[in-house]
Amino acid sequence: DAGVTQSPTHLIKTRGQHVTLRCSPISGHKSVSWYQQVLGQGPQFIFQYYEKEERGRGNFPDRFSARQFPNYSSELNVNALLLGDSALYLCASTPGVSDYGYTFGSGTRLTVV
Amino acid sequence: GNSVTQMEGPVTLSEEAFLTINCTYTATGYPSLFWYVQYPGEGLQLLLKATKADDKGSNKGFEATYRKETTSFHLEKGSVQVSDSAVYFCALRTANRDDKIIFGKGTRLHILP
Repeated sequence: DAGVTQSPTHLIKTRGQHVTLRCSPISGHKSVSWYQQVLGQGPQFIFQYYEKEERGRGNFPDRFSARQFPNYSSELNVNALLLGDSALYLCASTPGVSDYGYTFGSGTRLTVV
Repeated sequence: GNSVTQMEGPVTLSEEAFLTINCTYTATGYPSLFWYVQYPGEGLQLLLKATKADDKGSNKGFEATYRKETTSFHLEKGSVQVSDSAVYFCALRTANRDDKIIFGKGTRLHILP
């Protein structure tokens, strides 16, 4: 079985632009979460979705948004990019809410110049 | 609020040395505790977990015991290898509705041959 897949793996954007990151969970997993990992820090929670509904939101500005599709894949959107948005964006999936087994993807490395 | 504090790195050891990476947590209720490992250029991999007090998680020679009385979850390995060089993250997961994982800042481990 494929693990959690994220695309693209790397991208470079200019300040003020918009970006869309994509995540496909493990087959059968209905919950997807997004995390931001700035260099040298631990991942920070951005969003969790379960059955296409937002279940949780971290302390991020409204420029960050996400959604989950009927096939449980997910998109993370960031508008008006700032230099400080440069980070590794990680997606994680679980079979359902409050399951213990989070599986992470390899992430998307976003660089804002 | 909920938080995780782990020892700062980098930690440099010789091969076959004993490893301890300290981790303490602050949480309401009864969180699940985790250690994740991140190899260079990769996403996070779950190393081990413990879901209740006195549980011992173990994997690949690594162990950690959930100590509620000291709110700790220290990672140990009896004999490290060069291939263990990575960044290790201690984390907790609450049973709240948003079901997020809270990570420590990570400890970089270097093993010298």
